[in-house]
Amino acid sequence: AQSVTQLDSQVPVFEEAPVELRCNYSSSVSVYLFWYVQYPNQGLQLLLKYLSGSTLVKGINGFEAEFNKSQTSFHLRKPSVHISDTAEYFCAVVKTSYDKVIFGPGTSLSVIP
Amino acid sequence: KAGVTQTPRYLIKTRGQQVTLSCSPISGHRSVSWYQQTPGQGLQFLFEYFSETQRNKGNFPGRFSGRQFSNSRSEMNVSTLELGDSALYLCASREGLAGQNTGELFFGEGSRLTVL
Repeated sequence: AQSVTQLDSQVPVFEEAPVELRCNYSSSVSVYLFWYVQYPNQGLQLLLKYLSGSTLVKGINGFEAEFNKSQTSFHLRKPSVHISDTAEYFCAVVKTSYDKVIFGPGTSLSVIP
Repeated sequence: KAGVTQTPRYLIKTRGQQVTLSCSPISGHRSVSWYQQTPGQGLQFLFEYFSETQRNKGNFPGRFSGRQFSNSRSEMNVSTLELGDSALYLCASREGLAGQNTGELFFGEGSRLTVL
């Protein structure tokens, strides 16, 4: 079975500073990897996804993530955060297009003006 | 395309009552998944329906049930409500076919249930 770990439950960062949100997964088979964002009182929306190929994936709002198979990681990065990036971020994995999607516990990003 | 629609958005119930939540998926999506979100437990998978059949199931008691209709709309029901059932219930749809897309989920805004 797959599992997802997000080591940092809360990450405060100053506006315009870089940020990295960490995600590690466990799986005995190849998986698809996702990052979702949840703004207050809203559902989740997809930031980016890794399917195969290039290990550096670019998403919306200037976010990118790097897949590292040897370290089973999929860390999310942004070079310069904005106040509007304050939200909950979830890493997720799925084995196939029809298996259940497993989510990590989430990381709350707070951008300080 | 219209997004995933969940109704109602907010509701308050008392212990022992039951509740039914509704979810209309994106047009063309045949799969609907339900998740429970609480501050302490994060996103917990309840179940997934595909073409009116339950395809995947999480580890919730039998008080939590669901169904899917021929138009792919889905409902979930919670009977004999407990205080701990207070949560945001999220519905997500996807195409759901083997070999198609990557399993990416499209979420609704959720139904926030408060049990008093």
